[in-house]
Amino acid sequence: KAGVTQTPRYLIKTRGQQVTLSCSPISGHRSVSWYQQTPGQGLQFLFEYFSETQRNKGNFPGRFSGRQFSNSRSEMNVSTLELGDSALYLCASSDRQPGQETQYFGPGTRLLVL
Amino acid sequence: QKEVEQDPGPLSVPEGAIVSLNCTYSNSAFQYFMWYRQYSRKGPELLMYTYSSGNKEDGRFTAQVDKSSKYISLFIRDSQPSDSATYLCAMRGVTDSWGKLQFGAGTQVVVTP
Repeated sequence: KAGVTQTPRYLIKTRGQQVTLSCSPISGHRSVSWYQQTPGQGLQFLFEYFSETQRNKGNFPGRFSGRQFSNSRSEMNVSTLELGDSALYLCASSDRQPGQETQYFGPGTRLLVL
Repeated sequence: QKEVEQDPGPLSVPEGAIVSLNCTYSNSAFQYFMWYRQYSRKGPELLMYTYSSGNKEDGRFTAQVDKSSKYISLFIRDSQPSDSATYLCAMRGVTDSWGKLQFGAGTQVVVTP
């Protein structure tokens, strides 16, 4: 099976702009989670989607939002970008089957906010 | 205090040595434990997954979970320069949202030829 794919891989934006990142999960996986990774804070959970519904949200401001489509693909959006939003944004998918309680990560989208 | 503590390293070992990594945690509800490997500028790659306590072995990798001490370990035998990476522990509880993992800070490992 193909792995988790994320687009774009790299992105440069300026403060105040907004950005949309895309994630395609492993075929058959219906759960998608998003994480932000920075050198100072490490990997932090943003939100999780399953069957087009947000199941959980981390401690991030409302500028961070997401959605999931019927084909399980997911997008996350960050509005009014700040310098501190520069990070590696990782998407992970899982198939939510007993014995498979693990997540598989994509390569990430590296966002630089200038 | 963070729920999951992991020494960031770096941990430098000679080729062929055993690499020993560990994490401690404070939440006794954690039941699912994972180790990921992350190369520079790449996404984390799942190495080992363990449910509850016990040991699990896969090739050169051995994962151990001691729930009584809230301590998990990963051992890498016969280390190779290609094992140089950051190793992240991750965990979640049974009642936690399926997709929400708590990560350690990651330990940078350098295996020198």
